[in-house]
Amino acid sequence: AQKVTQAQTEISVVEKEDVTLDCVYETRDTTYYLFWYKQPPSGELVFLIRRNSFDEQNEISGRYSWNFQKSTSSFNFTITASQVVDSAVYFCALSGSARQLTFGSGTQLTVLP
Amino acid sequence: DAGVIQSPRHEVTEMGQEVTLRCKPISGHDYLFWYRQTMMRGLELLIYFNNNVPIDDSGMPEDRFSAKMPNASFSTLKIQPSEPRDSAVYFCASSLDVGTGLRANSPLHFGNGTRLTVT
Repeated sequence: AQKVTQAQTEISVVEKEDVTLDCVYETRDTTYYLFWYKQPPSGELVFLIRRNSFDEQNEISGRYSWNFQKSTSSFNFTITASQVVDSAVYFCALSGSARQLTFGSGTQLTVLP
Repeated sequence: DAGVIQSPRHEVTEMGQEVTLRCKPISGHDYLFWYRQTMMRGLELLIYFNNNVPIDDSGMPEDRFSAKMPNASFSTLKIQPSEPRDSAVYFCASSLDVGTGLRANSPLHFGNGTRLTVT
């Protein structure tokens, strides 16, 4: 069985602060894929990143960065210099031999001006 | 590309009525998923198809729910009879997977969802 845990239910920061969203996963698959999605107040689900289990290289995209550590089964997401527009629910998700995505419960991020 | 298209965006119905949700996946995508989002249960998979064939329907709550994919460009999720506890946002998503490696387990592209309210 697969499981994704996002222990932080809600996070509130002030604009320009850095914030890290935690994600811990469980799977028995040796090949698997990890994802982050953003759900803004408008409700759509926006794909942010996909990583596979054999590539632990960290990734940076503008103000976003991701830290994948197999040793701790974690795939954390950091937003640098947060902005009000970053306010959203962020979901971590996992897929493996079973094609479907298993989602975490989400972290509500509020960035205050 | 137009993206995944779901209709209707909002549906309000009375308990006992039949509800049909519709989805048009991205052209060329071979996987289609139906998810449901509620405050209590989060995002949960209901069913998914590969090349129009249902692969896993273990998430379908009960016999009142049924899903079909008559062709590669259309899918429906039907609830009959509907109950208040079915109120949720229903998302359709599609993806394209070819073989292994970089094209495997590609991201799901989600529609904007259908917000269902059963009174």
